[in-house]
Amino acid sequence: QSVLTQPPSVSAAPGQKVTISCSGSSSNIGNNYVSWYQQLPGTAPKLLIYENNKRPSGIPDRISGSKTGTSVTLGITGLQTGDEADYYCGTWDSSLSAGVFGGGTKLTVL
Amino acid sequence: EVQLVQSGAEVKKPGESLKISCKGSGFTFTNYWIAWVRQMPGKGLEWMGIIHAAGSDTRYSQSFQGQVTISADKSISTAYLQWSSLEASDTAMYYCARQAGFCSGGNCYLDYWGQGTLVTVSS
Repeated sequence: QSVLTQPPSVSAAPGQKVTISCSGSSSNIGNNYVSWYQQLPGTAPKLLIYENNKRPSGIPDRISGSKTGTSVTLGITGLQTGDEADYYCGTWDSSLSAGVFGGGTKLTVL
Repeated sequence: EVQLVQSGAEVKKPGESLKISCKGSGFTFTNYWIAWVRQMPGKGLEWMGIIHAAGSDTRYSQSFQGQVTISADKSISTAYLQWSSLEASDTAMYYCARQAGFCSGGNCYLDYWGQGTLVTVSS
């Protein structure tokens, strides 16, 4: 059971938009910054979003992040088949004094 | 170019010991914390612990405290994850990653990742 809760799967058609939610509590998302990671099949995770809504160099602006209270959302527009991957939210949990991840969401581009 | 290069895949028997490595390059190793993340077969990411590469300051997730040891040798820009007695349940992919930001300030994230080391424990 992960500290952060994500839907197990989402799907959408090419060119469409999808959102992936991640919910937590005041000890993690509510008072700390959140990051998002993409894990393509058979590869290491890659940072997509940090500090709730910032994109590292090289990440396209069709990727976005937002935060409201103890929940965050990853948005991907203009879906491509290459976006099929597992997506994880992550943050620091001040009560646990440890990093925590969501359980992951598998994105299928139909 | 920032790189984290991990040691190769390992096949071990239950009860054996193991130490895997993660060598950093392209950045000042001693300025960063290095994290270890476990991914069991078909499962999600689990944060195991972190070490500040400049010294011995180490933090562990409660789930891994006492099960593994994280260390670093700053002279060769390398972090390590080790087990004294492996179990079949340790079979997983293990990733190291560079931690950016300051966790104590509520802002930390993993900006560069190693390629992963697959550890298989089987009799």
